[in-house]
This record gives sequence, C-alpha cells and structure tokens, in this order.
Amino acid sequence: AQSVAQPEDQVNVAEGNPLTVKCTYSVSGNPYLFWYVQYPNRGLQFLLKYITGDNLVKGSYGFEAEFNKSQTSFHLKKPSALVSDSALYFCAVRGMNSGGYQKVTFGTGTKLQVIP
Amino acid sequence: GAVVSQHPSRVICKSGTSVKIECRSLDFQATTMFWYRQFPKKSLMLMATSNEGSKATYEQGVEKDKFLINHASLTLSTLTVTSAHPEDSSFYICSARDNLLWRENTEAFFGQGTRLTVV
Repeated sequence: AQSVAQPEDQVNVAEGNPLTVKCTYSVSGNPYLFWYVQYPNRGLQFLLKYITGDNLVKGSYGFEAEFNKSQTSFHLKKPSALVSDSALYFCAVRGMNSGGYQKVTFGTGTKLQVIP
Repeated sequence: GAVVSQHPSRVICKSGTSVKIECRSLDFQATTMFWYRQFPKKSLMLMATSNEGSKATYEQGVEKDKFLINHASLTLSTLTVTSAHPEDSSFYICSARDNLLWRENTEAFFGQGTRLTVV
C-alpha cells in the first residue's frame, strides 16, 4: 500500500529564513508527488508536482521541492519565508490501488508557522 | 480555469436530519470526483470515489448508507450525510480531476470545503 509521511507536526521559522517541510513516501512504481497548501477553513490549493524529469521542481509562491529517489523523499523548500506562508501543508503521492485506478494518498499535514 | 465549487461552505443541522453537499467542476468535465473528510488533527481521509453514471467506490470503514454519493453529471457530485449525528461534524472536501488532463498526470482540483456541525 502506498503511504506518505510528514514527520513534523509543526515547523516554526523566522521570516526571511529558509524553510523546509519534510515528506517521505512509499509507492509501487513511479511516484507522482504533489504538495498542497491549506488555509484555515479552506480547501487545498495546488503548489507543485513531480511527475518526471528534473528532480528540482519549482511551484507557486516561490516554493520548490526536491525529489530524491534513493531517499524516497520530496521535501518542500523556500529560500526566504514570508509570514503569509503560514498555513497547513500536505504532501501527496499518486499511485495505483488493487482496482487499477490511481488514488491520491495524503500525508497528515505540517503546520508552518512563520514568525515575524 | 480548473475551478471546483463546493456548496455550502458551512452548514449547521440538527441531529437526525440529512445534509446534502454539492461539488461542481465549473470549467471542466470530471468523470471522477473524490470526497474527503478532514479530522481536527488535520489528516485527510478519503471517503469515497464518485464515478459519473455508476456507483461510488467507498473506502473501507465508510458507511455507504450513511454517506450517500450521487454523480449525476460530468460536472456535479453530491454527498448526502443521512441521519446526521454530532460525531459526523467535520470538514468535508471534494476534489475532481479533469477528464482531458488526468492521463497527463495532472493534479486534482479541490473545492473550498464544507464545515458541517451537527447539534
């Protein structure tokens, strides 16, 4: 079965500092990986994805993520955090289930708090 | 483009009543939509996969008779919480995938969520 782990329940970072939100995954076959952001009482907004190609993926709002196949990781990064980046971040992997269709599995989420 | 609209955004209902939540893809067709429940500790749980013109596929442990899903058209799926109880109070989120783009491994698009409170 596929799975996603986000080991940090919360990440605190000072404004202007680089941030990293960690994600590791387990899936059979080639992984399709995604990051989403959620603001309070809102749905999920897509940030970026890795399907194939360059291991460093750039996305919305200055975020990027690095796919590392050997470590089965897909950490989210940003060089300089903004207070407005404070939100809940979900990592997700898309794979195949026993029925054949592709299901998305989400991590438990990491709350990012950027301190002014 | 790629907007998913979920309605209502908030609903309060009495215990024992039923509540319907709508999920619409506004500018694309979606053969498949997904319904999630988000718990207070934030994790997302996939409840069911809604398939246009056929029965929904429920995840293990999700009561089919309690959470009725109807996907009557390529742009609309509904989730009805029947005989709601306080423990059904939660944040429900739908997502949809674009029929034309899914083969290209694009992301799913999410509605804004529905906060259900059963009193």
